[in-house]
Amino acid sequence: AQRVTQPEKLLSVFKGAPVELKCNYSYSGSPELFWYVQYSRQRLQLLLRHISRESIKGFTADLNKGETSFHLKKPFAQEEDSAMYYCALRSGGYQKVTFGTGTKLQVIP
Amino acid sequence: GAVVSQHPSWVICKSGTSVKIECRSLDFQATTMFWYRQFPKQSLMLMATSNEGSKATYEQGVEKDKFLINHASLTLSTLTVTSAHPEDSSFYICSASLGGVYSYEQYFGPGTRLTVT
Repeated sequence: AQRVTQPEKLLSVFKGAPVELKCNYSYSGSPELFWYVQYSRQRLQLLLRHISRESIKGFTADLNKGETSFHLKKPFAQEEDSAMYYCALRSGGYQKVTFGTGTKLQVIP
Repeated sequence: GAVVSQHPSWVICKSGTSVKIECRSLDFQATTMFWYRQFPKQSLMLMATSNEGSKATYEQGVEKDKFLINHASLTLSTLTVTSAHPEDSSFYICSASLGGVYSYEQYFGPGTRLTVT
């Protein structure tokens, strides 16, 4: 069974400080990992996925298969980054996506 | 582009009645649609996956006779909660996927708040 764990329910950082949202997963095959974001009063939307290896809004995430982690990082937090972040896993070849419980990021001005 | 709408955005119904929630892809054809349920301060739990023209695939523990899903067209999927009870009160979210090489991304609707009294 696949599982996604986000250990922090709430992460508060000051503006300009580095951010790291943790995500660990368990899956026996080759997973696809994603980060979704939900801003206040908005719907869930895709932020980035590990395959693309791109930086979106200053965020990056590296898949570490050895540690089964996919932490989301940003060097300098901005107030507009305040949102709910969900890590998600899709088992290769299937469309089913398993979401973590989410971490609320609060950037303090 | 890739907008998904849900209707209604909130609904209150009496125990024992049925309620239908619509999910529409407004500007694209969705090969696959997903229905999630979200409890307060918890994650999204996948209820079922539906492909246009075929029966939905339900996740373990989800009663298919209670949560009827119909994916009649490439732009519309409906979730009907039959004989609703207070424990069915929740936030229901749908998402849609383009399929093919873009199947990795799901576009989410705004959700429907169901309250059963």
